[in-house]
Amino acid sequence: AQSVTQPDARVTVSEGASLQLRCKYSSSGTPYLFWYVQYPRQGLQLLLKYYSGDPVVQGVNGFEAEFSKSNSSFHLRKASVHWSDSAVYFCVLSGNNAGAKLTFGGGTRLTVRP
Amino acid sequence: NAGVIQTPRHKVTGKGQEATLWCEPISGHSAVFWYRQTIVQGLEFLTYFRNQAPIDDSGMPKERFSAQMPNQSHSTLKIQSTQPQDSAVYLCASKSQNTLYFGAGTRLSVL
Repeated sequence: AQSVTQPDARVTVSEGASLQLRCKYSSSGTPYLFWYVQYPRQGLQLLLKYYSGDPVVQGVNGFEAEFSKSNSSFHLRKASVHWSDSAVYFCVLSGNNAGAKLTFGGGTRLTVRP
Repeated sequence: NAGVIQTPRHKVTGKGQEATLWCEPISGHSAVFWYRQTIVQGLEFLTYFRNQAPIDDSGMPKERFSAQMPNQSHSTLKIQSTQPQDSAVYLCASKSQNTLYFGAGTRLSVL
């Protein structure tokens, strides 16, 4: 069975600070991993995805994530956050076939203090 | 590319009424998914279609929920006899190359 755990339900940081949002996954097969962001009253938008290759993947708006098979993790990072980054971030796991359902983490609500 | 389009954005129904939610996937995407999002339960899978065929509806409450995809350009989610616990944001997504693209959602409020 697949699972995704985001251990931090809420994170608050000051504008300009660095950020790490944690994600741990469990998968029996090859994981496809994603980070999505949801702004208030909007749908989920893709930030970045990892299928294979370089474990550090770059996404939009300066976000990056690092895949670690040994730690079963896919943490999201940003060097310097902006107040507009305040949103809910979801770590998502997919199986390796085209029709596989996604498994969502519970989400981390990020608040950036001006 | 307008992305995944969901209509209406907000629907208010009275208890016991029917609600139909619409989704237009991105052209060329072969799979369409429906999810329900609430504060308490988070994101819950409902059902999905591949090439218009229903593949997995294991997340659908069987008695009052139904989904169809009559053609490749739209899918509907119908809820009969709506109940207050059906109040949620219903998200539709289409899939290409293992990546889901979500619509903005329909917020259903059952009074």
